[in-house]
Amino acid sequence: DGGITQSPKYLFRKEGQNVTLSCEQNLNHDAMYWYRQDPGQGLRLIYYSQIVNDFQKGDIAEGYSVSREKKESFPLTVTSAQKNPTAFYLCASSIDRLVLGDSYNEQFFGPGTRLTVL
Amino acid sequence: GQQVMQIPQYQHVQEGEDFTTYCNSSTTLSNIQWYKQRPGGHPVFLIQLVKSGEVKKQKRLTFQFGEAKKNSSLHITATQTTDVGTYFCAGLRGSARQLTFGSGTQLTVLP
Repeated sequence: DGGITQSPKYLFRKEGQNVTLSCEQNLNHDAMYWYRQDPGQGLRLIYYSQIVNDFQKGDIAEGYSVSREKKESFPLTVTSAQKNPTAFYLCASSIDRLVLGDSYNEQFFGPGTRLTVL
Repeated sequence: GQQVMQIPQYQHVQEGEDFTTYCNSSTTLSNIQWYKQRPGGHPVFLIQLVKSGEVKKQKRLTFQFGEAKKNSSLHITATQTTDVGTYFCAGLRGSARQLTFGSGTQLTVLP
């Protein structure tokens, strides 16, 4: 059964602790992404990776770190430097497809992790 | 940086009424994608538009991409309770494959 998995679904941490969110995909997608969603808002890009061992900062990378050692995995660490870490975190992956000369690259999302920092 | 504005933020309709959400970008987009997020769920891809002036239909849903590739709309005909959720547009910027999401339109359908 192909897809993207994120675990856990709910995560609680004390202020000042680092926490790592997992994201695994078996879709053989090259690109992976991390987004943050706050209540009533859209998705904001934290980090993305287009190939293994390479990743780029998104719009709100401060206080976060990532690694991409394997194609299937793109874990996100929320560090104590992130001032307001409580949010819904979504991981996604995509692959470029050429259809009649046009490039298609829809993103497939995991179920998300709701992080609450107490 | 690039911004994608989406209106309205909320929309309540009676079941059977039509619904439209609009998306505007400050810059020309390579393509625009639409996603639906059910309450408590994650975004699910609906469609991607790539050509200037493109119109695509999925049953009761009609998607349009503007001639200048800066705006888009999603229209739902005769809404049903299963249409409830938040609809996001997302514009692709350049060759880096980064999507910029609109803030979404939360649709409530009253039975």
